[in-house]
Amino acid sequence: AQSVTQLGSHVSVSEGALVLLRCNYSSSVPPYLFWYVQYPNQGLQLLLKYTSAATLVKGINGFEAEFKKSETSFHLTKPSAHMSDAAEYFCAVSDGYGNKLVFGAGTILRVKS
Amino acid sequence: DAEITQSPRHKITETGRQVTLACHQTWNHNNMFWYRQDLGHGLRLIHYSYGVQDTNKGEVSDGYSVSRSNTEDLPLTLESAASSQTSVYFCASSEYVDTQYFGPGTRLTVL
Repeated sequence: AQSVTQLGSHVSVSEGALVLLRCNYSSSVPPYLFWYVQYPNQGLQLLLKYTSAATLVKGINGFEAEFKKSETSFHLTKPSAHMSDAAEYFCAVSDGYGNKLVFGAGTILRVKS
Repeated sequence: DAEITQSPRHKITETGRQVTLACHQTWNHNNMFWYRQDLGHGLRLIHYSYGVQDTNKGEVSDGYSVSRSNTEDLPLTLESAASSQTSVYFCASSEYVDTQYFGPGTRLTVL
């Protein structure tokens, strides 16, 4: 079975500071990994995905994530936080077959001015 | 532009009533999914379908059912609504192993 653990249900950063949202996964097969963002009262939007190509994945809005197999991690980073980045972020894992996603519990990012 | 829509966006119902939530996608995707979102749990898979006439149970399927009579629609039915089913429900679609596209969600309250 697959699972995802997101460390920190709430993360607070200052505008312009580094954003680091942590995600660790468990999978018995090579995983596909995703980061989604959810703004208030909206659906989920894909930020980026890892599907066994390059280990450093670049996404929208300046976000990127690095797949580290030895650490079973897929942490999300952004060099400089913007007020518009305030949202809830979800890490998800799939075995690639059938594309069923298993989500983490989510991390709410707060950006302080 | 292709999209995925859900209706209603908000629903209040009473315990024991049957409720159906609609999901319609114009992406022409084979795969469709229903999730529920609850605080502290992220999104959990209820049911999914890989094509017409195909349906499968997910992690939290008890009390829910789906049917797939065409490519575009996957309605979710709560047979007898319970207070524990108060949640936000999201529908999603994808093609094979590609990105899942999510609808805007339905907020369901069961009194």
